[in-house]
Amino acid sequence: DVVMTQSPLSLPVTLGQPASISCRSSQSLVYSDGNTYLNWFQQRPGQSPRRLIYKVSNWDSGVPDRFSGSGSGTDFTLKISRVEAEDVGVYYCMQGTHWPITFGQGTRLEIK
Amino acid sequence: QLQLQESGPGLVKPSETLSLTCTVSGGSISSSSYYWGWIRQPPGKGLEWIGSIYYSGSTYYNPSLKSRVTISVDTSKNQFSLKLSSVTAADTAVYYCANSISWGQGTLVTVSS
Repeated sequence: DVVMTQSPLSLPVTLGQPASISCRSSQSLVYSDGNTYLNWFQQRPGQSPRRLIYKVSNWDSGVPDRFSGSGSGTDFTLKISRVEAEDVGVYYCMQGTHWPITFGQGTRLEIK
Repeated sequence: QLQLQESGPGLVKPSETLSLTCTVSGGSISSSSYYWGWIRQPPGKGLEWIGSIYYSGSTYYNPSLKSRVTISVDTSKNQFSLKLSSVTAADTAVYYCANSISWGQGTLVTVSS
């Protein structure tokens, strides 16, 4: 299985400040069709996960543009330009290139 | 907008079969645009992908659960289902159904006698 390793696992951030989460995969996530199936999910307290970013850097509908995704190959990053109170929760990266689909351990974002 | 809703028993006895159904509304489960999957999350823990079924009927199961899992689709009811056999306490989790984009709200299944 592809191992997805996130860092940090806990991320205290001051409101209005930027935040960054790293996700590294144990093998390249480039699929044979040329796409990289790396998604980012947000799970707010008591809610189900919501996809924010797909194929590394594409926003899902309704996702604020303060969220951005980047990376390639095995190294990916989710950035929040200015953290707001509603951003509190756990963030997961997920790879869909190799079966079985696997997730990172999750990064818990909290407000300082 | 596509919506998914899980349903099924919240309590299952050890060694029995867990059965859940996901009802899809706002779109057709026969759409080639999506795959349909089940994911679970033990209390306080991370996410585990259980398996997926595609519009073609092809299924893919997590090897860690493959011997116990069956995912099927009922296009007449716009539903897909999960069966997990021989459950133990380790199968206690919130179970989510999802497609490529959206997830259901999840349902807690507890395995206990």
